Amino acid sequence: DIVMTQSPDSLAVSLGERATLNCKSSQSVLSSFDNKNRLAWYQQKPRQPPKLLIYWASTRESGVPDRFSGSGSGTDFTLTISSLQPEDVALYYCQQYSGTPWTFGQGTKVEIK
Amino acid sequence: QVHFLQSGAEVKKPGASVKLSCKASGYNFNNYIVHWVRQAPGQSLEWMGRINPGNGDTVYSQKFQGRVTITRDTSANTVYMELSSLRSEDTSVYYCARVQKPLVFGAPLDFWGQGTMVIVSS
Repeated sequence: DIVMTQSPDSLAVSLGERATLNCKSSQSVLSSFDNKNRLAWYQQKPRQPPKLLIYWASTRESGVPDRFSGSGSGTDFTLTISSLQPEDVALYYCQQYSGTPWTFGQGTKVEIK
Repeated sequence: QVHFLQSGAEVKKPGASVKLSCKASGYNFNNYIVHWVRQAPGQSLEWMGRINPGNGDTVYSQKFQGRVTITRDTSANTVYMELSSLRSEDTSVYYCARVQKPLVFGAPLDFWGQGTMVIVSS
């Protein structure tokens, strides 16, 4: 199984400041077939299902604010929130959809400092 | 608009089985793979398996092989997930979710149900 490891486990950032979340996979999720990274980021707020933010490592889902961006390739990925807003307080998960079983990271909790 | 309506909360005894439903609306049910993902209290997300509603083909996580069965009823636009031999560690919220692209396995999950809480307790 591909193990997804996120860091840090929690992050406190001041409003308007940048938040940087990391995700590392135990093996590459870059497909040689189409040269795409099968890596997604989800946001989850309490008592809600996850919400898709980023897919193919760097493509923003429709309706997601442009302060959210994804980068990275192969085994190392980053989700950046360029200017943290109150509504961004949540848990964030990375997930690989390259190989079965699909696997998720343990999550990074983002809070306001 | 795309929507999933999941069945209500369940309380089960260890050793029992539970069958959850996930009714889809707002899109062509046959064209999008549906997955089941669970989340134990305070824990991360865990993938359980998927079904192609078009032909009924399924793939399960090895962890749940032999205990999980995912089926569908195309006339009702509904996917089911049955988990047997329940134990306390199966206490979780169970989500159904759809892949983003039609007729594609390797795509992220763009629409999720609201989740069904299953509590396993003697």
